[in-house]
Amino acid sequence: NAGVTQTPKFRILKIGQSMTLQCTQDMNHNYMYWYRQDPGMGLKLIYYSVGAGITDKGEVPNGYNVSRSTTEDFPLRLELAAPSQTSVYFCATQDGTSSYEQYFGPGTRLTVT
Amino acid sequence: GDSVTQMEGPVTLSEEAFLTINCTYTATGYPSLFWYVQYPGEGLQLLLKATKADDKGSNKGFEATYRKETTSFHLEKGSVQVSDSAVYFCALRRNAGNMLTFGGGTRLMVKP
Repeated sequence: NAGVTQTPKFRILKIGQSMTLQCTQDMNHNYMYWYRQDPGMGLKLIYYSVGAGITDKGEVPNGYNVSRSTTEDFPLRLELAAPSQTSVYFCATQDGTSSYEQYFGPGTRLTVT
Repeated sequence: GDSVTQMEGPVTLSEEAFLTINCTYTATGYPSLFWYVQYPGEGLQLLLKATKADDKGSNKGFEATYRKETTSFHLEKGSVQVSDSAVYFCALRRNAGNMLTFGGGTRLMVKP
């Protein structure tokens, strides 16, 4: 089992460019999350999904969009990159029924210049 | 709203020293509490948890006790190793939901 995979590992964007951060899981978990981690700060929730076709905003959704067409995939879209979006992005999954543990991917380090 | 406050790091210790990382929280009701660990270049991993007052979570020599009266969940280890060097995050989850609220993280550096 690969668990939670994220691509790319690193990316540099110019201001105004767009990109999609990919997240895929093979654990058949219903819940999926996107967090951002700024230097010296804790993780902040961007968007989450409780199942295919259902998404909702977290604490810091502005500038991002998500979709959840399958259980496995939960891509995060940045439409007009801004320097404030420079961060490390983590995807996480959770069973949502019997377990409260979240499983994290290795992260994507994004720099916007 | 919910919040988690951790002691600022970095915390630098010698091998075999005693470790305490403080964590306090603010939340309505009775949240579940967690410690996650992030090793260099990796995502977060659950280290231990406690779901009700006076519960003690433990794993890999680390312990934390859910103290409702002081709204705290301090992480302790009796003898740290170099391999414990990582960033430690305290987090809470309200019983009514699945979302986690994280503290700012505390970097631990253990020197041989």
